[in-house]
Amino acid sequence: AAGVIQSPRHLIKEKRETATLKCYPIPRHDTVYWYQQGPGQDPQFLISFYEKMQSDKGSIPDRFSAQQFSDYHSELNMSSLELGDSALYFCASSLRFNLAGGPGLDEQFFGPGTRLTVL
Amino acid sequence: KQEVTQIPAALSVPEGENLVLNCSFTDSAIYNLQWFRQDPGKGLTSLLLIQSSQREQTSGRLNASLDKSSGRSTLYIAASQPGDSATYLCAAPSGGETSGSRLTFGEGTQLTVNP
Repeated sequence: AAGVIQSPRHLIKEKRETATLKCYPIPRHDTVYWYQQGPGQDPQFLISFYEKMQSDKGSIPDRFSAQQFSDYHSELNMSSLELGDSALYFCASSLRFNLAGGPGLDEQFFGPGTRLTVL
Repeated sequence: KQEVTQIPAALSVPEGENLVLNCSFTDSAIYNLQWFRQDPGKGLTSLLLIQSSQREQTSGRLNASLDKSSGRSTLYIAASQPGDSATYLCAAPSGGETSGSRLTFGEGTQLTVNP
């Protein structure tokens, strides 16, 4: 079965540089989520999109922005990188509504993550 | 605001033992609840999803129960194996009883199963 795809898997940047993380959700999933997991911490929600519209926003710095495109892939753009941005960034997708318009299971499936290191 | 707590934080057991991981959440108006497994430095693997209308869900040696009214869920692992060693995370949605909500994670239970 197809899973959530994230690229790149590893990224090394210098302080004040920019980074773009990409996410390809499971086909036909209508909702995409981004989470950040710092060293030794649990994942923290950043932002989500339902049908290409932002649906919820968490503790995402103003230096970060995200969007979902017409083909449903999503990108997380990070500017003016700081040392504290070093973390694992996960994308997840779920199916809120099935093809008939009824409720989906809404089970969130996570990608393998992008490990961002800021030097 | 949803808060999730997991007990114990760490657990070390000999191979073959049955064990129980506990999760509590503060907002019982949830659409579902998920249990995940995470190996060091790796992604999150969804183990079980329990819908709000269910009381338990089973997958192989894993059984998860949900008691919405008391804000508790447990993950039962039968006949533990060294390959079960990982961190187990409980996650509850934070948007009330609607789908598409952000997940709030507990800090996890780090499980070590010794051969």
